[in-house]
Amino acid sequence: SAVISQKPSRDICQRGTSLTIQCQVDSQVTMMFWYRQQPGQSLTLIATANQGSEATYESGFVIDKFPISRPNLTFSTLTVSNMSPEDSSIYLCSVEGGRGVDEQFFGPGTRLTVL
Amino acid sequence: GQQLNQSPQSMFIQEGEDVSMNCTSSSIFNTWLWYKQEPGEGPVLLIALYKAGELTSNGRLTAQFGITRKDSFLNISASIPSDVGIYFCAGPDGSARQLTFGSGTQLTVLP
Repeated sequence: SAVISQKPSRDICQRGTSLTIQCQVDSQVTMMFWYRQQPGQSLTLIATANQGSEATYESGFVIDKFPISRPNLTFSTLTVSNMSPEDSSIYLCSVEGGRGVDEQFFGPGTRLTVL
Repeated sequence: GQQLNQSPQSMFIQEGEDVSMNCTSSSIFNTWLWYKQEPGEGPVLLIALYKAGELTSNGRLTAQFGITRKDSFLNISASIPSDVGIYFCAGPDGSARQLTFGSGTQLTVLP
């Protein structure tokens, strides 16, 4: 399985500011995914990021709020814009395994607290 | 979209006991995945099931892909303290574009 790292591992931010989360993979992958995990909840997909194309956002998530970059096959960023306390969550990136979306491997997550 | 109903929501067991949790869906899944998430970490893939009726083991963990393709079970034998965490079932949705996750089972192992 791929080795995935995320930066920062955690952050405490003020309302109205933005935070960019980085996801780095040790091998080239076609599809990368960004998830949100609200406190005590399961994982919810924010968007799918393919290199060379615009990210595909799920219902309830918009590009203005969660802009994503995917400059190459090993790296992606997710920005949480104009943050409010409701954005306090763990943000996780994942990559497809050998069986595509049928098998995903996750990074360690970024724990975000918005005051 | 598809939904996965996972139970129980939480479990408190004594060290050494066996654990069983399950996941059901109203629609058919072609793949079932079981993940474990420890505090401060991302989910780690434990077992992947790709065929109805399949029974797969990973150490003390055993998972089964239900014959109806609408359910899956995860069993942990002889639990130990490091089994503590949240266990999630997951499967690709109908379009196979994304994974749907169950609500999770919080496992606590008492010494």
